[in-house]
Amino acid sequence: GNSVTQMEGPVTLSEEAFLTINCTYTATGYPSLFWYVQYPGEGLQLLLKATKADDKGSNKGFEATYRKETTSFHLEKGSVQVSDSAVYFCALSSGGSNYKLTFGKGTLLTVNP
Amino acid sequence: DADVTQTPRNRITKTGKRIMLECSQTKGHDRMYWYRQDPGLGLRLIYYSFDVKDINKGEISDGYSVSRQAQAKFSLSLESAIPNQTALYFCATSAPGFDNEQFFGPGTRLTVL
Repeated sequence: GNSVTQMEGPVTLSEEAFLTINCTYTATGYPSLFWYVQYPGEGLQLLLKATKADDKGSNKGFEATYRKETTSFHLEKGSVQVSDSAVYFCALSSGGSNYKLTFGKGTLLTVNP
Repeated sequence: DADVTQTPRNRITKTGKRIMLECSQTKGHDRMYWYRQDPGLGLRLIYYSFDVKDINKGEISDGYSVSRQAQAKFSLSLESAIPNQTALYFCATSAPGFDNEQFFGPGTRLTVL
């Protein structure tokens, strides 16, 4: 079956530090890959996505590249801000029905000024 | 106005009580989902519906039921609430498509005493 493994947190960084949150997956077929972000007290928002191998998703300074050979979709940002403090979820959609999102457990990021 | 709304946003109830969580959407999507979020476990799918006449169990449907009253409305019921159903509940929607991007409501925080 499908599964997503992401870096366990919490992750604490200083403002302007470099961020990497690792995500690897197991899936049948050719999954679409997502990063969702959950700010405190809010629902999940799509941060970025990639639908085929070697695609790079990007948004708000965050990037992730779909690496089929390593089954990975690591999230990166060159310079984090306090406002990036949130929980980040890696997710995939795959399979014949292609209806279901499989989520990782989430990584809490705290950015200090 | 939010595209996906959930009511109530917070609810405290007692063991054995029946409770209904409601979700409405203005995105015009056919597909709707209910998830629960528990700390350290990510999001898990409870039920999903592809249209008004199509309702399916997810990975953790025991103890829950749903009703799809209209394309825009999808309700989750706990017939007899128990404390381990204390969680954050999210509704989500999507349009049919190859990547299954989902759009989430703000969540309902349910506490069962």
